[in-house]
Amino acid sequence: QVQLVQSGAEVKKPGASVKVSCKASGYTFTSYGISWVRQAPGQGLEWMGWISAYNGNTNYAQKLQGRVTMTTDTSTSTAYMELRSLRSDDTAVYYCARVADIVASGASFDYWGQGTLVTVSS
Amino acid sequence: SYVLTQPPSVSVAPGQTARITCGGNNIGSKSVHWYQQKPGQAPVLVVYDDSDRPSGIPERFSGSNSGNTATLTISRVEAGDEADYYCQVWDSSSDHYVFGTGTKVTVL
Repeated sequence: QVQLVQSGAEVKKPGASVKVSCKASGYTFTSYGISWVRQAPGQGLEWMGWISAYNGNTNYAQKLQGRVTMTTDTSTSTAYMELRSLRSDDTAVYYCARVADIVASGASFDYWGQGTLVTVSS
Repeated sequence: SYVLTQPPSVSVAPGQTARITCGGNNIGSKSVHWYQQKPGQAPVLVVYDDSDRPSGIPERFSGSNSGNTATLTISRVEAGDEADYYCQVWDSSSDHYVFGTGTKVTVL
């Protein structure tokens, strides 16, 4: 069965960086994309970006351009999301989700990780 | 940027029908996906490409999309359907995914 298992909760100080991992299993990793979505406390879903596990192509939300980097390690079927220069309003649960296509074409997010809470506080 | 507007809340009695709207400029020309999120859990895909259901999702969940409004319909509502629901589209003008503002469904 398809599973996406994310790394554990993090507490970071403002200005620091965080790197969240998402290990995939139960499917051919390179046949799909991975998107990252975050949800601030009590708020809605915010799309952060997408990476093709096939060729590493990325597409980031304009709001996060320059602060976010998404990568994959095909040898371990793991996706990573690094967010730099953290601020208090980056405090959120971060989700990875499988995108049902290898290109950024609007396919749905058919499986999701369990979420990783990132808290930014001095 | 493309904006998707949903009503903040919808209340429905058990056994009745809940309709959740998602408004966007000419949304009928886009493929709409819908997600259900229960408290403390990750979202779950319930409808994709306007009206298709993933395996394991009950037939009670259906979708439609035309003009400036997409709709998720939940028939014969059960207590377990109480959750937040989000619509989503791909905005080809910006090459970005967009989520709706979310609707909290309360089962009375």
